Amino acid sequence: DQQVKQNSPSLSVQEGRISILNCDYTNSMFDYFLWYKKYPAEGPTFLISISSIKDKNEDGRFTVFLNKSAKHLSLHIVPSQPGDSAVYFCAASIQGAQKLVFGQGTRLTINP
Amino acid sequence: DGGITQSPKYLFRKEGQNVTLSCEQNLNHDAMYWYRQDPGQGLRLIYYSQIVNDFQKGDIAEGYSVSREKKESFPLTVTSAQKNPTAFYLCASNNRGPGETQYFGPGTRLLVL
Repeated sequence: DQQVKQNSPSLSVQEGRISILNCDYTNSMFDYFLWYKKYPAEGPTFLISISSIKDKNEDGRFTVFLNKSAKHLSLHIVPSQPGDSAVYFCAASIQGAQKLVFGQGTRLTINP
Repeated sequence: DGGITQSPKYLFRKEGQNVTLSCEQNLNHDAMYWYRQDPGQGLRLIYYSQIVNDFQKGDIAEGYSVSREKKESFPLTVTSAQKNPTAFYLCASNNRGPGETQYFGPGTRLLVL
């Protein structure tokens, strides 16, 4: 069963606008969430994370929102830039368990 | 500078052959991981190790084997028992403890001839 789901395989956004990537999870034991960015033929790079004791975490152009009651998190990128074009993975873990569970990824394309 | 290296970048396997993918880190991380990525899918955990000389199966360990003889090295062997080995393999590491971010290497693409 897919415990972490990214239901949109792709998203296209105009440069300068807001990009919103969504992620849903089913396991209520997850208490730590991360977003990774991946370019083709490269390893993922860490973007931003959030603990379940928070509902928002911001780092520059990137903000992650967590809605525990809906088991939903989202990544907002404002403003979107061409270099943001990549595949974005959300991941979840139970702190102390070490293992990350990844979503399927969303391919973000920023159009000029 | 510190990081995770994976070699080779591309690897070709013949039918019935075992191949070993290398992963080395100089970040002094205790834990290391192997993931597999297939097109349109997320990363799936193959094996992980939290300490030298100890490792655990992940979600898709069948057809794979690992060793952790040194803290900085965690090689993955894709055996002939793995019937669908063509994929992008990613190694990661982090320190043990809650909320410790995993950092990834550049990956190895394995292709079957």
